[in-house]
Amino acid sequence: GESVGLHLPTLSVQEGDNSIINCAYSNSASDYFIWYKQESGKGPQFIIDIRSNMDKRQGQRVTVLLNKTVKHLSLQIAATQPGDSAVYFCAERTDSWGKLQFGAGTQVVVTP
Amino acid sequence: NAGVTQTPKFQVLKTGQSMTLQCAQDMNHEYMSWYRQDPGMGLRLIHYSVGAGITDQGEVPNGYNVSRSTTEDFPLRLLSAAPSQTSVYFCASSRDQAGEKLFFGSGTQLSVL
Repeated sequence: GESVGLHLPTLSVQEGDNSIINCAYSNSASDYFIWYKQESGKGPQFIIDIRSNMDKRQGQRVTVLLNKTVKHLSLQIAATQPGDSAVYFCAERTDSWGKLQFGAGTQVVVTP
Repeated sequence: NAGVTQTPKFQVLKTGQSMTLQCAQDMNHEYMSWYRQDPGMGLRLIHYSVGAGITDQGEVPNGYNVSRSTTEDFPLRLLSAAPSQTSVYFCASSRDQAGEKLFFGSGTQLSVL
């Protein structure tokens, strides 16, 4: 997994398996969290977000889980596909003006 | 809609030169921001704006200036380029002033020699 502001780990996943990407955030007062996907040479692309008053949110093939007790966020990708290969970033909103604190990212590599 | 458009895509500068990175969005978003991305460090906020005429500093503002004269445009100026400013720069915008669901541009790769 990753921690906001630290190294870039790599997650290798076999095609068709489920992926779980972890993120430890730093600010217990953060009220909004978001996951981005970044493919090589492109800008980050929004995946899913969650507010602090929720524990879980589901999208298409993705689920975000929030555990405020241990300040932990995770992104689950179901039936991982080759097109899911990318760097995934989590971010937390640290103030009301919309400042986002990004993690360093996790490289996901999908193998056939 | 083109979304968020950044120009140029690539730029090489010599130390001490100045330049402006352009950013434009056609989604009528109030919130715009600039990030830099360095290897292993994620995205760091340089400056942001919650509307025309309003700008504020982010995490790493030194060496950069911004202005927001229109809703659409948010240029980033490097006053005197330094090698430490070699990075990939991303502009982003969102409808909500609180920066939710940011739309990112495709980035500008800047090298300062």
